[in-house]
Amino acid sequence: DSGVTQTPKHLITATGQRVTLRCSPRSGDLSVYWYQQSLDQGLQFLIQYYNGEERAKGNILERFSAQQFPDLHSELNLSSLELGDSALYFCASSGVMGHSGNTIYFGEGSWLTVV
Amino acid sequence: AQTVTQSQPEMSVQEAETVTLSCTYDTSENNYYLFWYKQPPSRQMILVIRQEAYKQQNATENRFSVNFQKAAKSFSLKISDSQLGDTAMYFCAFMIFYGGSQGNLIFGKGTKLSVKP
Repeated sequence: DSGVTQTPKHLITATGQRVTLRCSPRSGDLSVYWYQQSLDQGLQFLIQYYNGEERAKGNILERFSAQQFPDLHSELNLSSLELGDSALYFCASSGVMGHSGNTIYFGEGSWLTVV
Repeated sequence: AQTVTQSQPEMSVQEAETVTLSCTYDTSENNYYLFWYKQPPSRQMILVIRQEAYKQQNATENRFSVNFQKAAKSFSLKISDSQLGDTAMYFCAFMIFYGGSQGNLIFGKGTKLSVKP
């Protein structure tokens, strides 16, 4: 158990809909990352937050947005869903650099199927 | 551009034998960490081993060890005494530090390892 909690574990929704994926980082971790893993793709970095502030953006579509709340949990919002958005979405967290902050721990992922 | 290349899409090894997975990376940065993650059929991402780029000594974790060649930008993973539970996709990744804060992980496309009885 990495200590990173993601909900829901599985989600099936229709095209055009909107979903929210939730992530609770490890206790004390300030950084949260979101990654997307499609069936035949590697892991694509979407976005990073650090202590509530957006820190880095990767290949995140405009239809997707995220935020990190004061209690450090994070949500990834996916809207106007398309079939190609079907993927495993990982949340990961890390702490302050120098205090185990140089390792990123992953949650179990949220499986999203768009039909 | 910062990239990670895993040149072996698939590999297989007999149980109890040793296997080495290759990884090369490209970055102009000097401060970074390197990782190997394992993704078994459950799809969970599990940290296998970590290497600080400023350390010359190769990291080891039980049956797992790395051969880190900084000048060649090479970071291979050796699995000794392979076990059936080692069957998984293995991802090589690195993370850069910018001015004291860390960036995100950049992953290779993975090597699918099958351990055969």
